[in-house]
Amino acid sequence: DIVMTQSPDSLAVSLGERATINCKSSQSVFYSSNNNNYLAWYQQKPGQPPKLLFYWASTRESGVPDRFSGSGSGTDFTLTISSLQAEDVAVYYCQQYYSAPLTFGGGTKVEIK
Amino acid sequence: QVQLVQSGAEVKKPGSSVKVSCKASGGTVSSYAISWVRQAPGQGLEWLGGIIPLFDTAYYAQKFQGRVTITADESTGTAYMELSSLRSEDTAVYFCARGTYYYDSRGHGFGWIDPWGQGTLVTVSS
Repeated sequence: DIVMTQSPDSLAVSLGERATINCKSSQSVFYSSNNNNYLAWYQQKPGQPPKLLFYWASTRESGVPDRFSGSGSGTDFTLTISSLQAEDVAVYYCQQYYSAPLTFGGGTKVEIK
Repeated sequence: QVQLVQSGAEVKKPGSSVKVSCKASGGTVSSYAISWVRQAPGQGLEWLGGIIPLFDTAYYAQKFQGRVTITADESTGTAYMELSSLRSEDTAVYFCARGTYYYDSRGHGFGWIDPWGQGTLVTVSS
């Protein structure tokens, strides 16, 4: 199984400041035949199911604000919130779909400083 | 916009089984992949397995092999997850989710997951 490791476990950022979340896979999730990274990002707010933010590592889901961006390739990926808003307080998860079983990172909790 | 509506909370005894349903309203299950993901209290997300009705393919995470069965009834647009031999560690919120599947030169596989059902709390307690 591909192990997904996120860092940090939690971070507190001031409103309007940048938040950066890292995700590392135990093996590459890049498939050279189609030049795609098989990685998604989700946001989960308390008491709610996760919400898809990005797929193919950097393709933003419809309706996701452009202050969110996804980047990276191979085994190292980053989710960035360029200017943190109050409604961004949540736990964020990365997930690989390069191979079954689908696996998630442990989550990163984002709070307001 | 499709919504996934799951069955209600369950309380089960250790050693018993639970079957959770997931109905797609405003859409189908047949053209997509269906995944089941659980979340223990205060913990992260864990994929139990999924089904791609178009390829008649079900896949189960090894941890749950032999204990979980995932099916889809295309005629009613409903998916099911049955987990047997329940133990206290199975206490969690169980989510169904409709997702994508991909087909590349390696074959087909499960893609990203969206939308998700509201979740079903399964409590295992004696």
